[in-house]
Amino acid sequence: ETGVTQSPTHLIKTRGQQVTLRCSSQSGHNTVSWYQQALGQGPQFIFQYYREEENGRGNFPPRFSGLQFPNYSSELNVNALELDDSALYLCASSLQGLRSYEQYFGPGTRLTVT
Amino acid sequence: LAKTTQPISMDSYEGQEVNITCSHNNIATNDYITWYQQFPSQGPRFIIQGYKTKVTNEVASLFIPADRKSSTLSLPRVSLSDTAVYYCLVGESRLIFGTGTRLQVFP
Repeated sequence: ETGVTQSPTHLIKTRGQQVTLRCSSQSGHNTVSWYQQALGQGPQFIFQYYREEENGRGNFPPRFSGLQFPNYSSELNVNALELDDSALYLCASSLQGLRSYEQYFGPGTRLTVT
Repeated sequence: LAKTTQPISMDSYEGQEVNITCSHNNIATNDYITWYQQFPSQGPRFIIQGYKTKVTNEVASLFIPADRKSSTLSLPRVSLSDTAVYYCLVGESRLIFGTGTRLQVFP
């Protein structure tokens, strides 16, 4: 059983650029959630995908978008990057329904916007 | 979504039992209580969850009173490796993290 993996580990982008972050869910999990964690803060919920459909969204603008693929892997896309987007982006997978509060997090992608 | 309140930080020594209490006065009937642990530059790790009374696993115990307006995470005999941030959450699949409790364990 493989855990949640994310790529890349680190990324540096310039303000105004676009970025795509990737996540592979834990085997058997059909739900993926994305979180943004600023330094010294708790993770903030961005959105969740279940069966390739968005299944809830936090207080993030539309320039944050996502995809979930048939194999349950996922992408987070951020357009028009701003300096405040610099953060650790976490992906978490879970099994929708039973024990959906038990999420398995990946190691995160550290995004720096300059 | 229920809001949680927990201490910002706690200090302990190796071998001691640590109890971290979380308040969640507006918890809904269907909400579970979940605790996560996070080390620097890593994703949070699920520790334990419960609905009422007491739950125990190989890592921790969770005590929930009858009114469910608070919960206490108990870590028996902590070690240096338990130094981390601990988050209390209530709800279902959309996890709402607060700022957590920063536990520092000293030798």
